[in-house]
Amino acid sequence: SSELTQDPAVSVALGQPVRITCQGDSLRTYYASWYQQKPGQAPLLVIYDKNNRPSGIPDRFSGSISGNTASLTITGAQADDEADYYCHSRDSNGYLFFGGGTKLTVL
Amino acid sequence: EVQLVQSGAEVKKPGESLRISCKGSGYRFTTYWISWVRQMPGKGLEWMGIIYPHDSGTKYSPSFQGQVTMSVDASNTTAYLQWSSLKASDTAVYYCARQLINHSDPWGQGTLVIVSS
Repeated sequence: SSELTQDPAVSVALGQPVRITCQGDSLRTYYASWYQQKPGQAPLLVIYDKNNRPSGIPDRFSGSISGNTASLTITGAQADDEADYYCHSRDSNGYLFFGGGTKLTVL
Repeated sequence: EVQLVQSGAEVKKPGESLRISCKGSGYRFTTYWISWVRQMPGKGLEWMGIIYPHDSGTKYSPSFQGQVTMSVDASNTTAYLQWSSLKASDTAVYYCARQLINHSDPWGQGTLVIVSS
């Protein structure tokens, strides 16, 4: 299956941890990557290959995988982390696809 | 610095043709796939397809097959996304991104396409 399912919205208190999940059969075989998108901006890669961070991404961002569920965790959410988050993966035919996105609100 | 720079916003009428561009720099352009991604107003990211600059090989999402054409000018390190006859429903921001095996990085800044009569 080429579907990735994300919760539409998640909220977190400032400084608290938050987990954003992404569910899909392809995740049993292929890694998910995660992108942060703020209003009016292009998506920004924050996690790839399960738990690698590109240069410049704070270490409060981490990734994990369990079965068919990938997770993006932010330990100590900051106001600047408020954004839409998308997971991204592929299938065995080489098609790529995104989850529907999760809007993170930092209270 | 690896960078993708896209062409500017476009306002077109239904039925018109359009080609937008994505110029890569700071890396060997021919050795990485380029993905195209659509984002309709207020909506999520949709993967449209990929093109391999080395041989112009393409793979389109079934949702976009026959609706758009991807091409590349490797000598100018530029990828293109083209429509032959725009529809109002093509109104969106279009992103290009360098595609690695399991992730897309970096992304272009996006090109806003507005189709309106």
